[in-house]
Amino acid sequence: GQQVMQIPQYQHVQEGEDFTTYCNSSTTLSNIQWYKQRPGGHPVFLIQLVKSGEVKKQKRLTFQFGEAKKNSSLHITATQTTDVGTYFCAGGGFKTIFGAGTRLFVKA
Amino acid sequence: DTEVTQTPKHLVMGMTNKKSLKCEQHMGHRAMYWYKQKAKKPPELMFVYSYEKLSINESVPSRFSPECPNSSLLNLHLHALQPEDSALYLCASSQPPQGGGYTFGSGTRLTVV
Repeated sequence: GQQVMQIPQYQHVQEGEDFTTYCNSSTTLSNIQWYKQRPGGHPVFLIQLVKSGEVKKQKRLTFQFGEAKKNSSLHITATQTTDVGTYFCAGGGFKTIFGAGTRLFVKA
Repeated sequence: DTEVTQTPKHLVMGMTNKKSLKCEQHMGHRAMYWYKQKAKKPPELMFVYSYEKLSINESVPSRFSPECPNSSLLNLHLHALQPEDSALYLCASSQPPQGGGYTFGSGTRLTVV
């Protein structure tokens, strides 16, 4: 069945450093979504990418969808302590499958 | 209203109990979902309802029984659960077939004793 792999599993950064998480699928995705889950919270939708090669920005966050629509990345520039949490990619069509997530720790 | 409301927020139940989790949304979304999330793991899909019809059941044990009374409500009936069923149960909604991502509720933290 469809699998969505996400790396790294966790990352520790100093505040102000950049952070990137990567997502890879074994099959071509119709779209990919990104979510953020704060500790003790629930997943919050960040963005959806649909087109091959698409790049979208939200302030310090940059999202990319690969040309083959099998991989994606989320890059955060100059991390802040408010960025702490787990970032999930989620791929597929009607049946959305979540990657394992990347836990981001930010040291002030 | 851009929220998905889940009740209760916390639930402790014995293995012989019957309880129900409730979920409500008023965003006009026509797809609703139940996910199960264990600590430090991603959400795991359980059920999908589209236009009030069950469209996906991810081989979930029969001790979990979903119900969608109308387009705004989603229930999950629990019976004879096991301690390993303890988890955060998340409800989500979206516009099918997947318009703009899922809106999740804050979840019900379930403990089975």
